[in-house]
Amino acid sequence: GAVVSQHPSWVICKSGTSVKIECRSLDFQATTMFWYRQFPKQSLMLMATSNEGSKATYEQGVEKDKFLINHASLTLSTLTVTSAHPEDSSFYICSADRTSGKAGELFFGEGSRLTVL
Amino acid sequence: DAKTTQPPSMDCAEGRAANLPCNHSTISGNEYVYWYRQIHSQGPQYIIHGLKNNETNEMASLIITEDRKSSTLILPHATLRDTAVYYCIAQNAGNMLTFGGGTRLMVKP
Repeated sequence: GAVVSQHPSWVICKSGTSVKIECRSLDFQATTMFWYRQFPKQSLMLMATSNEGSKATYEQGVEKDKFLINHASLTLSTLTVTSAHPEDSSFYICSADRTSGKAGELFFGEGSRLTVL
Repeated sequence: DAKTTQPPSMDCAEGRAANLPCNHSTISGNEYVYWYRQIHSQGPQYIIHGLKNNETNEMASLIITEDRKSSTLILPHATLRDTAVYYCIAQNAGNMLTFGGGTRLMVKP
């Protein structure tokens, strides 16, 4: 099956640091990738939709200058949490829409846990 | 996108069938029913999806009522590794997925 990989799996940083999380589709091309955030014991919340070669579309309440998304190729999207603060600590998950896959079957990465001290 | 309602938690004995219900009474004609699950601290995993007809694959069966207002995900022989949060989503094909609270299934020995 299709594989989506995220890196790093877990990062711990000091407040004020910017952290980049990568999302790669390993064996397929993804014109669209989605970034989710999940707080403990809560459901996934969509942050933004990332389209290859164009600007990301952010959900209401998500600061685009805080969460920078770049989708420079069909296999890579990055999420940069700028000047991270403790309240940004969360589980960040990406998913990729395989262009030739079954409609609605998204492939999710393993998630990246961010802990901001 | 149609809102879905699921029980917050369920228990199931190992080896027995797990039947997870989902209500989606406002589903529109072109919205599919998707099921994903999330094992603790991992990304969600696709299970199955359907539009009108019942569907079966190697993981589960999906039973959709004739009026499409509800569905049931069936894990025929639950194992301890099936313990997870199961999400039922009613959405148009090709759109991003919007997750609700899901059902926390606990499979017990």
